[in-house]
Amino acid sequence: GNSVTQMEGPVTLSEEAFLTINCTYTATGYPSLFWYVQYPGEGLQLLLKATKADDKGSNKGFEATYRKETTSFHLEKGSVQVSDSAVYFCALSGSNTGNQFYFGTGTSLTVIP
Amino acid sequence: EAGVAQSPRYKIIEKRQSVAFWCNPISGHATLYWYQQILGQGPKLLIQFQNNGVVDDSQLPKDRFSAERLKGVDSTLKIQPAKLEDSAVYLCASSLSPGRGEKLFFGSGTQLSVL
Repeated sequence: GNSVTQMEGPVTLSEEAFLTINCTYTATGYPSLFWYVQYPGEGLQLLLKATKADDKGSNKGFEATYRKETTSFHLEKGSVQVSDSAVYFCALSGSNTGNQFYFGTGTSLTVIP
Repeated sequence: EAGVAQSPRYKIIEKRQSVAFWCNPISGHATLYWYQQILGQGPKLLIQFQNNGVVDDSQLPKDRFSAERLKGVDSTLKIQPAKLEDSAVYLCASSLSPGRGEKLFFGSGTQLSVL
């Protein structure tokens, strides 16, 4: 079946620290991969995406590379800010899922000054 | 551009009562989704509409949940009767189409507490 596994949180980092949130997936075919972010009190919004193997999605200093050989899509940022505090969700979607989205359980990030 | 609108923002009911949620997607978005997000979990799809037709409702507990999307625009999700385990955030999302790589736009959600 289709599923997404994320590293469990919560994650607490100091400002300017390096961030990695691990995400691995199980899917048939070639899904598109996404990272969504949910800031406190707000709805989920797309952070970045990649639609094929070796693609790198990037936005707001965050990056993730679609690794088919390791079925991974890890989220990274070189220097986090307090404003990055949020819950991050990894997700997949594709024609073999009926274009339905499958989400991970979310990883809560808190960045302290 | 207006986003996905949902109401109410919060709802508290007792078990066995009924409740309804409303969603207005982004104008022109043909695909509408309802998700259930239980605390500590990722969103789980309840139902997906393409225009006013149902594409996928395989995970909708049809004995108590119902949803409709009249005229292919607004949608309502109803729970009757509610159970304690229905306490969750109900998210509405829309997209231009269900195509590969198409992103979802989410509303702020309705937080339901069943006592």
